[in-house]
Amino acid sequence: NAGVTQTPKFQVLKTGQSMTLQCAQDMNHEYMSWYRQDPGMGLRLIHYSVGAGITDQGEVPNGYNVSRSTTEDFPLRLLSAAPSQTSVYFCASSSPGQKNIQYFGAGTRLSVL
Amino acid sequence: GENVEQHPSTLSVQEGDSAVIKCTYSDSASNYFPWYKQELGKRPQLIIDIRSNVGEKKDQRIAVTLNKTAKHFSLHITETQPEDSAVYFCAATPWINKFYFGSGTKLNVKP
Repeated sequence: NAGVTQTPKFQVLKTGQSMTLQCAQDMNHEYMSWYRQDPGMGLRLIHYSVGAGITDQGEVPNGYNVSRSTTEDFPLRLLSAAPSQTSVYFCASSSPGQKNIQYFGAGTRLSVL
Repeated sequence: GENVEQHPSTLSVQEGDSAVIKCTYSDSASNYFPWYKQELGKRPQLIIDIRSNVGEKKDQRIAVTLNKTAKHFSLHITETQPEDSAVYFCAATPWINKFYFGSGTKLNVKP
């Protein structure tokens, strides 16, 4: 099992560009989430999903879109990148059948110039 | 929504001493409280968790306590070692997959 895989590991964007951060898990977990981590602020929930076809907003959803067409994949789309979206992004997955313990991907470091 | 506060933001201890990190939460519906350790440049990793039907849980040198009435929970690390140096995060979840994290504690264990 690879666990939770995020791509790319690093990305530099210009203001106004769009891009998709990929997240895939091979553990058949129902739940998936996206977080951003900024210095001194811990992890903040952007969007989450409790199953294929079901997504909902977290604490900081503005400027981001998600979809969950399969159990394995949960991509995060930045529609028009802004410098305020410079951050480290983590994807996580969990399953209620496994005590809802979250497993994190290795992260994507994004810089928006 | 839920609000999780974590203290202290930095903690420096001598090797072999104990370390305590405290978190408070606001939503009485929260029922699951995990703690994560994050080393520099790495992903967060679960080190211990506790559910609302339990007051204390221990795993070797690490323990977590929960006071539901006061809405606070704490991480206790005994006999600290240099490899315990990292950032520690608490979290609370009031509903299925909605996790709220504290702002983190940077623990430095001096040899």
